[in-house]
Amino acid sequence: GENVEQHPSTLSVQEGDSAVIKCTYSDSASNYFPWYKQELGKRPQLIIDIRSNVGEKKDQRIAVTLNKTAKHFSLHITETQPEDSAVYFCAVRGSTLGRLYFGRGTQLTVWP
Amino acid sequence: GAVVSQHPSWVICKSGTSVKIECRSLDFQATTMFWYRQFPKQSLMLMATSNEGSKATYEQGVEKDKFLINHASLTLSTLTVTSAHPEDSSFYICSAQPGGSGDPLAKNIQYFGAGTRLSVL
Repeated sequence: GENVEQHPSTLSVQEGDSAVIKCTYSDSASNYFPWYKQELGKRPQLIIDIRSNVGEKKDQRIAVTLNKTAKHFSLHITETQPEDSAVYFCAVRGSTLGRLYFGRGTQLTVWP
Repeated sequence: GAVVSQHPSWVICKSGTSVKIECRSLDFQATTMFWYRQFPKQSLMLMATSNEGSKATYEQGVEKDKFLINHASLTLSTLTVTSAHPEDSSFYICSAQPGGSGDPLAKNIQYFGAGTRLSVL
C-alpha cells in the first residue's frame, strides 16, 4: 500500500509568521492529495486539496504545492493566526478503492 | 459543503455489550463510506471501507466479526462493536464519499462525521 510520511510532527510559530508542513508518498499512481485540519475532539475538516494534474493551488492564506516527480506535497499557511492552531493531516488517495492514506499529523501551535 | 451526521457522539457501555454507531450523509448520496479509529494524538486508522449493497472491505488486523458494518442505503452506514471490551475504547469516525452522477471532482472528497467517543467500562 501507500506510505505517507509527514513532517514535522509539531510546529510552533508566532502569530503572523508562515507555517509549512511537508508530506511524501510512495505510489506514483496516486492522484489526489487533500489536507485536513482537526481541532481537539472534533471532526477532520477539508481545508484544501490538489489533484495530480496541478502543481499549485491557493485559497486565501492557504496554499498547497505538489511535486509529482519527487512525490512530495506541502501545505503553506501564511499570516498565521491563533485559530489556525490544530492538528493538520495530509492524505493521499491511492489507486485502490478511493481510500485515503493519512500522514501521522502535525500539531501546529500559533502563539499570539 | 456536504454534511455527514454521526451518532451517538459519546457512549459509555459495560464490557460485553454491543454498541451501534450510525453515519448518515444528509445532503448527498454516498456509495462509499469509511470507518476510522483514532487513538489520542494519533492519526486516523482505516478500519474498513463500506460500499452500499455489498460487504465491507476490512483492513488487515481488523476483526470483521467484532466490528460489523452495514451499508444498507446510499445515505446510511452503521458500525456495531460487538461484545465490547475496554481495549475497544477509542474515537471512531466515519466519512462519506459522494457517488452518483454529480460533480466528478467532488467524488474524490471524503466528508467526515463528528466522531463517536466510546468508553467501555
